[in-house]
Amino acid sequence: QKEVEQDPGPLSVPEGAIVSLNCTYSNSAFQYFMWYRQYSRKGPELLMYTYSSGNKEDGRFTAQVDKSSKYISLFIRDSQPSDSATYLCACSEYNTDKLIFGTGTRLQVFP
Amino acid sequence: EAQVTQNPRYLITVTGKKLTVTCSQNMNHEYMSWYRQDPGLGLRQIYYSMNVEVTDKGDVPEGYKVSRKEKRNFPLILESPSPNQTSLYFCASSYTGGISYEQYFGPGTRLTVT
Repeated sequence: QKEVEQDPGPLSVPEGAIVSLNCTYSNSAFQYFMWYRQYSRKGPELLMYTYSSGNKEDGRFTAQVDKSSKYISLFIRDSQPSDSATYLCACSEYNTDKLIFGTGTRLQVFP
Repeated sequence: EAQVTQNPRYLITVTGKKLTVTCSQNMNHEYMSWYRQDPGLGLRQIYYSMNVEVTDKGDVPEGYKVSRKEKRNFPLILESPSPNQTSLYFCASSYTGGISYEQYFGPGTRLTVT
């Protein structure tokens, strides 16, 4: 079993839709939870991070962590064609530099 | 501009021919790492370095070597490439100190070994 599981998609939605991207993890020691966005032919870029449980909002993006069920989510409101990319969740333990990535979910937002 | 650069971006080579992929960062980051990205497997760490002359194996180190003689550079060496090393490779860097969640990634090197 992988430490971080993520549905690979692809997920195809119309412009303006609310998108929900999800990951599950198995390591109870994970404390930091990140979402990276990767455009085609580019390296991943950090989108959002959350420490421990709770929600974090940044514009149209909301990251949510439920440590009791080991479940992390990224919500995108009013999705735009420019949001079309692969979204990777990543987790890390406290006091470590190592990130464990999910396999990524490919999202396509069509006009 | 703060960035991680990799060269070459694309490389086609033959089995057994030694190659080096260079990685350089201009952010004075202590931590540097190499990943490979494969369909269905995601990003897997090959090697990482906490600082100059300090390197350690990641999850899939077999067939790879690294060195860290300068803080800004972290080359990936394939002494005898094989077809199963055909992949997309990313170099990344970050500050170290326990909460380096923001890793900065290079643009990637697509390697094909025939």
